[in-house]
Amino acid sequence: NAGVTQTPKFRVLKTGQSMTLLCAQDMNHEYMYWYRQDPGMGLRLIHYSVGEGTTAKGEVPDGYNVSRLKKQNFLLGLESAAPSQTSVYFCASSYRVGRSSYEQYFGPGTRLTVT
Amino acid sequence: DQQVKQNSPSLSVQEGRISILNCDYTNSMFDYFLWYKKYPAEGPTFLISISSIKDKNEDGRFTVFLNKSAKHLSLHIVPSQPGDSAVYFCAASLGEGAGNMLTFGGGTRLMVKP
Repeated sequence: NAGVTQTPKFRVLKTGQSMTLLCAQDMNHEYMYWYRQDPGMGLRLIHYSVGEGTTAKGEVPDGYNVSRLKKQNFLLGLESAAPSQTSVYFCASSYRVGRSSYEQYFGPGTRLTVT
Repeated sequence: DQQVKQNSPSLSVQEGRISILNCDYTNSMFDYFLWYKKYPAEGPTFLISISSIKDKNEDGRFTVFLNKSAKHLSLHIVPSQPGDSAVYFCAASLGEGAGNMLTFGGGTRLMVKP
């Protein structure tokens, strides 16, 4: 089992460029999440999905879009990158129900720099 | 307004001693609390959790204490080891009705000196 994987690991964008971050999980988890981590801010939720074809906004959704066309994949898009989106992005997944549903499994992260 | 706060950005402890990491929260609706550990260039990994109906949970060297009246939880590591050096995040959940979303604190960097 690969767990949660993220592509790419690093990326440098110029202001105004667009890109898509890919997250894949092989644990058959129903729920998936995108976070960003900034120094001193912890992890902040951008968007999440409770199932295939459904998405919802988190704490900091502006400037990002997401899609979940397949249960195992969750895509995060930046349509017009800004320097404020320089961050480390983490994808996570979890079960829907059960005691272990509270536990989220994280990918290794994508470090994005916008110049 | 941060609902989950870790007021100590860093903590230094001698190997073999106890490490105590603290976390405060403001939302009394949180029903589950978790601690995650993060090494550089890796994703956070789950460490230990506690339900809001309990006041203590223990797993080997790690114990989490919850004080609901004070809206405070703490992670105790005994004895501390150099391999425990990492950033620790506390997180809180509103449960399945809120998509199992986690709200994270800002993190505490623990350094365990040999």
